[in-house]
Amino acid sequence: GPKVLQIPSHQIIDMGQMVTLNCDPVSNHLYFYWYKQILGQQMEFLVNFYNGKVMEKSKLFKDQFSVERPDGSYFTLKIQPTALEDSAVYFCASSWTGGGQDTQYFGPGTRLLVL
Amino acid sequence: AQSVTQPDARVTVSEGASLQLRCKYSYFGTPYLFWYVQYPRQGLQLLLKYYPGDPVVQGVNGFEAEFSKSNSSFHLRKASVHWSDWAVYFCAGSVWTGFASALTFGSGTKVIPCLP
Repeated sequence: GPKVLQIPSHQIIDMGQMVTLNCDPVSNHLYFYWYKQILGQQMEFLVNFYNGKVMEKSKLFKDQFSVERPDGSYFTLKIQPTALEDSAVYFCASSWTGGGQDTQYFGPGTRLLVL
Repeated sequence: AQSVTQPDARVTVSEGASLQLRCKYSYFGTPYLFWYVQYPRQGLQLLLKYYPGDPVVQGVNGFEAEFSKSNSSFHLRKASVHWSDWAVYFCAGSVWTGFASALTFGSGTKVIPCLP
């Protein structure tokens, strides 16, 4: 089936530094998403993105977070500065439409550890 | 607030036995509902999804799920488990907000083999 890639698979970073997580979505998809999963907890929605804009974000999407997809390249999640509580697995997803019934395709996740 | 609950963190089952994974939802109205499976170091893969209509949904690899409005449930079933089914299963729901849809996930159920 369609594949979503995420780079890197693991990232270790010192608290206060900046990190960028990269997502290569399914090629013809128009909607993009980030989800966060803290170890032992359920996956939670962070943000969705369409046509260069954030459409919706959750309370987990702090001011230190930003997303963009410059020129149709990677869809990125940037955290600046990082905090200890940002340690989690971050999953990217994409879909063709934003409709509730549309399938979101997920990447394998980036495991972020903030020290 | 909308929520999806998977009451069983782990389910132990023997190969060839039947499997049922439970999912309860809480939404205003009827949501779209999904079951995903996750293998180690891989992304979530869709097993099946529910649109309002026929309450029994067929998915891939012999999985099916049944929607119940009266019980607010969307349980996943498989008649005969194969070793490749040892994985973590997530139930999720979404509603159309007019912008784009965010999935709300349950906490996942890990299916592990029952060893003799």
